[in-house]
Amino acid sequence: EDKVVQSPLSLVVHEGDTVTLNCSYEVTNFRSLLWYKQEKKAPTFLFMLTSSGIEKKSGRLSSILDKKELSSILNITATQTGDSAIYLCAVEGSNYKLTFGKGTLLTVNP
Amino acid sequence: DGGITQSPKYLFRKEGQNVTLSCEQNLNHDAMYWYRQDPGQGLRLIYYSQIVNDFQKGDIAEGYSVSREKKESFPLTVTSAQKNPTAFYLCASIGGTVRGGYNEQFFGPGTRLTVL
Repeated sequence: EDKVVQSPLSLVVHEGDTVTLNCSYEVTNFRSLLWYKQEKKAPTFLFMLTSSGIEKKSGRLSSILDKKELSSILNITATQTGDSAIYLCAVEGSNYKLTFGKGTLLTVNP
Repeated sequence: DGGITQSPKYLFRKEGQNVTLSCEQNLNHDAMYWYRQDPGQGLRLIYYSQIVNDFQKGDIAEGYSVSREKKESFPLTVTSAQKNPTAFYLCASIGGTVRGGYNEQFFGPGTRLTVL
């Protein structure tokens, strides 16, 4: 059974801090790893990673995949209160099947 | 505008009733998914379908049923056999059959089901 584990489950920081969220996985026939941000409703897409060692970057957010370690990290620099959300990691395996982790609840205090 | 729609937004059900949640997409996506979200649980896969007239059970399929008679539609029925159906249900689709490209998964806005 495919499995995705995220850590920490929750995190409280102050504005301006840098945070690193972790995602590790066990999956049959790995295709891709995806990061999402979920605020009140449906998750919104952040990154899709398929190759090891290539950093994807969008503003203050960046992510990298390590296929050898079966893991990925999501970094957020200079955090803002608007970054407060649940960050979900998902892995795509065989037959388009996506398995999600439980998410990391990030709270950024002013 | 292309996207995924789910209806209704809120649904109340009495115990023992079956209810059907609608999911429609006009993105021409082949694969569609149903997830359930409970507090502290993340998203758990109920059913998914890669192609019309075919679908597979996810991790928590018991008490649910689906159909995929049309590419754009993937309704989910929550049956009376589902012991704890109160949750937030998300439908999603993923693009195309060409793998190796940019395959973002699109989510619908969700349906919040409450059993009274």
